[in-house]
Amino acid sequence: DQQVKQNSPSLSVQEGRISILNCDYTNSMFDYFLWYKKYPAEGPTFLISISSIKDKNEDGRFTVFLNKSAKHLSLHIVPSQPGDSAVYFCAASARGNNNDMRFGAGTRLTVKP
Amino acid sequence: DVKVTQSSRYLVKRTGEKVFLECVQDMDHENMFWYRQDPGLGLRLIYFSYDVKMKEKGDIPEGYSVSREKKERFSLILESASTNQTSMYLCASSTAGQGYSPLHFGNGTRLTVT
Repeated sequence: DQQVKQNSPSLSVQEGRISILNCDYTNSMFDYFLWYKKYPAEGPTFLISISSIKDKNEDGRFTVFLNKSAKHLSLHIVPSQPGDSAVYFCAASARGNNNDMRFGAGTRLTVKP
Repeated sequence: DVKVTQSSRYLVKRTGEKVFLECVQDMDHENMFWYRQDPGLGLRLIYFSYDVKMKEKGDIPEGYSVSREKKERFSLILESASTNQTSMYLCASSTAGQGYSPLHFGNGTRLTVT
């Protein structure tokens, strides 16, 4: 039962352009959403989060957008850099319950110089 | 910075062996987690613990057990390793209490069962 879905296993963009990674969820109880970034041979690292009371959260080059009615969130990276090449995981939890955090399958982003 | 340390980066074990994966965190976090990561499936929760000697099953606990004798240490045990347990295992920790907090992950242990 995949409650968090990342339908694009991979994405390739040119350096300097925008990267848009998408994530859909099915559980309407989710109210906290996160993006993690994972380099090979390392664990995922927290990138940015958003709670359901907001529809946008920005941190430098990274912006997460949340569309609750569509149960959809996206991560925008502008401008993309080669060092952004990694696997990005979307995650969601309900009612501040870290014990029930669900992850998507991940999207591999490649930023070409 | 929070540090979550997994004792082994790579392990190769034989079918039927008992396997211990160790994880230590240095930030006095109450919550600790074990996930496995498989291609196309993302991260799936095996077990978690919210206090010493407390444990709860995640989505895929079958074939695994855990131990948390000290707050900083959370061990994953494969009682009798099987080839379908070949995977990347990730330990994580987080603070407890009200509000939201992200998980902090270790670098993972890639286990191969032959």
